[in-house]
Amino acid sequence: GDSVTQMEGPVTLSEEAFLTINCTYTATGYPSLFWYVQYPGEGLQLLLKATKADDKGSNKGFEATYRKETTSFHLEKGSVQVSDSAVYFCALSDRSGNQFYFGTGTSLTVIP
Amino acid sequence: GAGVSQSPRYKVAKRGQDVALRCDPISGHVSLFWYQQALGQGPEFLTYFQNEAQLDKSGLPSDRFFAERPEGSVSTLKIQRTQQEDSAVYLCASSLPAGPDTQYFGPGTRLTVL
Repeated sequence: GDSVTQMEGPVTLSEEAFLTINCTYTATGYPSLFWYVQYPGEGLQLLLKATKADDKGSNKGFEATYRKETTSFHLEKGSVQVSDSAVYFCALSDRSGNQFYFGTGTSLTVIP
Repeated sequence: GAGVSQSPRYKVAKRGQDVALRCDPISGHVSLFWYQQALGQGPEFLTYFQNEAQLDKSGLPSDRFFAERPEGSVSTLKIQRTQQEDSAVYLCASSLPAGPDTQYFGPGTRLTVL
């Protein structure tokens, strides 16, 4: 069945460091791919998405490119800030949109 | 409010009790999803509604779990004869169209079964 595997954390970085959180997926067909973020004490919210191969999603300095050949959707940011400390979830939905599959989450802590 | 709301935010139940968790989606949103999130894990899909129709309930872990959305708006997730393994955060999400799209999540209901 469809699934998402993401890099295990926790990840601790210094402010202004480069961030990569790996995400790979298994799916039949052509899913849509998402990154959701959960800030401390808050609910899940969409960070970015891509709906077809080679699309790049971007938001708040974060980027991820839908790579069909490597079945990946890695999250990157060039210079992290303390305010980026949160848990990040990679997710996919099948084409019907009836089901979503989430990774286990990667906790990021950015220290000044 | 403008977002998805869930109630109660916290629920403590004794093993064997029945519980009902409520979700108020964003007005006009067609799709509604329920998820179960165990501590330290990602959300696990439970069930999906398109308007009042429950199109997928394959994620419900047992026949003790039941969800409804009778008028295509508010949804209730009911768990009968709760067990300790039911302890988790139950998340509701809604999205405007049918089909794959951005979901808007509620704050969740944290259920603790003693």
